[in-house]
Amino acid sequence: GAVVSQHPSRVICKSGTSVKIECRSLDFQATTMFWYRQFPKKSLMLMATSNEGSKATYEQGVEKDKFLINHASLTLSTLTVTSAHPEDSSFYICSPSGMSTDTQYFGPGTRLTVL
Amino acid sequence: QKEVEQNSGPLSVPEGAIASLNCTYSDRVSQSFFWYRQYSGKSPELIMSIYSNGDKEDGRFTAQLNKASQYVSLLIRDSQPSDSATYLCAVNLGRNYGQNFVFGPGTRLSVLP
Repeated sequence: GAVVSQHPSRVICKSGTSVKIECRSLDFQATTMFWYRQFPKKSLMLMATSNEGSKATYEQGVEKDKFLINHASLTLSTLTVTSAHPEDSSFYICSPSGMSTDTQYFGPGTRLTVL
Repeated sequence: QKEVEQNSGPLSVPEGAIASLNCTYSDRVSQSFFWYRQYSGKSPELIMSIYSNGDKEDGRFTAQLNKASQYVSLLIRDSQPSDSATYLCAVNLGRNYGQNFVFGPGTRLSVLP
């Protein structure tokens, strides 16, 4: 399977601060990056899809100005949660996808807790 | 409408029994099918993929696909307590769609020792 890393694995921050989550595809070129969010005991929810070098496409109900996605290279994408609030506390998971594979692999996830 | 449905569970089976997890999908253009396992607090990990009608076996796991019935299942033989997790069914609609993968809500499996 693909090797995907996320950093940080866990972050606790104060309300109003911004948090950046990095996702790296270590062994293949991620032409597309999917970002998911998962609340406790709930299913995966797709937040946005980004193609390398292009603006991300956000799912309905996801604020693009709050969740900033950058996908400037084939191996790195970042998700920045701006002005985080307690309701943003969740498990954020990236999933890179490349033309060489039709299987979707996931990063290990980032647990965000906003106090 | 692109939907993938699963029973949320929990599905409880005794250790050593066969666990049967089911998934139905609504879009006939679906091309490939996947089962993921997700432990609590962890991200999903791929267990199996299946592309053709019939059965595909890998160790204790068997995936079954019936495209005519739009049905895919996962059988876990000799279930172990370590198999207790949420199992996600995923359907790949193919490269002509913006978001290729559609995930089901997951079925929680509990294997009782």
